[in-house]
Amino acid sequence: AQSVAQPEDQVNVAEGNPLTVKCTYSVSGNPYLFWYVQYPNRGLQFLLKYITGDNLVKGSYGFEAEFNKSQTSFHLKKPSALVSDSALYFCAVREGTGGFKTIFGAGTRLFVKA
Amino acid sequence: GAVVSQHPSRVICKSGTSVKIECRSLDFQATTMFWYRQFPKQSLMLMATSNEGSKATYEQGVEKDKFLINHASLTLSTLTVTSAHPEDSSFYICSARRGTGSGANYGYTFGSGTRLTVV
Repeated sequence: AQSVAQPEDQVNVAEGNPLTVKCTYSVSGNPYLFWYVQYPNRGLQFLLKYITGDNLVKGSYGFEAEFNKSQTSFHLKKPSALVSDSALYFCAVREGTGGFKTIFGAGTRLFVKA
Repeated sequence: GAVVSQHPSRVICKSGTSVKIECRSLDFQATTMFWYRQFPKQSLMLMATSNEGSKATYEQGVEKDKFLINHASLTLSTLTVTSAHPEDSSFYICSARRGTGSGANYGYTFGSGTRLTVV
């Protein structure tokens, strides 16, 4: 069965500093990996995805993520954090071959301090 | 493009009543829609997968008689919480899949969610 782990409940970073939000996954086939952001009382907004190709994926709002097959990780990164990046971030995985269900991690709350 | 409209955004209802939540794909046809439930400070839990014209597939532990799902058209799926109780209070989010076929690079678009409070 597929699963996603986000080991940090919360990440604190100062504005202007780089940020990393960690994600590891487990899936039997090839993984489709996603990052979403959620603001209070709102639905999820898509940030980026990895399907195939380059391991470094660039997405919305300056975010990027690196797929590491050997470590089964897909950490979200941004070179310079903004206060407006403060939100709840979810990593998600879907099995690539015939997979329909998207399984979400527990979420990591990002606080960016001015 | 690829917009999913979820309505209502907030609803308060009395215990014992039923509430219907709508999920519409506005500019694409969604053969498959998903319903998630999110408890405060927790992740999204998949409740059921809804395929147009057929019965929904419920995840283990989700009561199909309590959470009625109807996907009568390619652009509309509804979730009805029947005989609601305070413990059903939660944030419900739908997601619609664009494209068809298995394992394809199809996209998923999420609705903006519905905050249900049962009093």
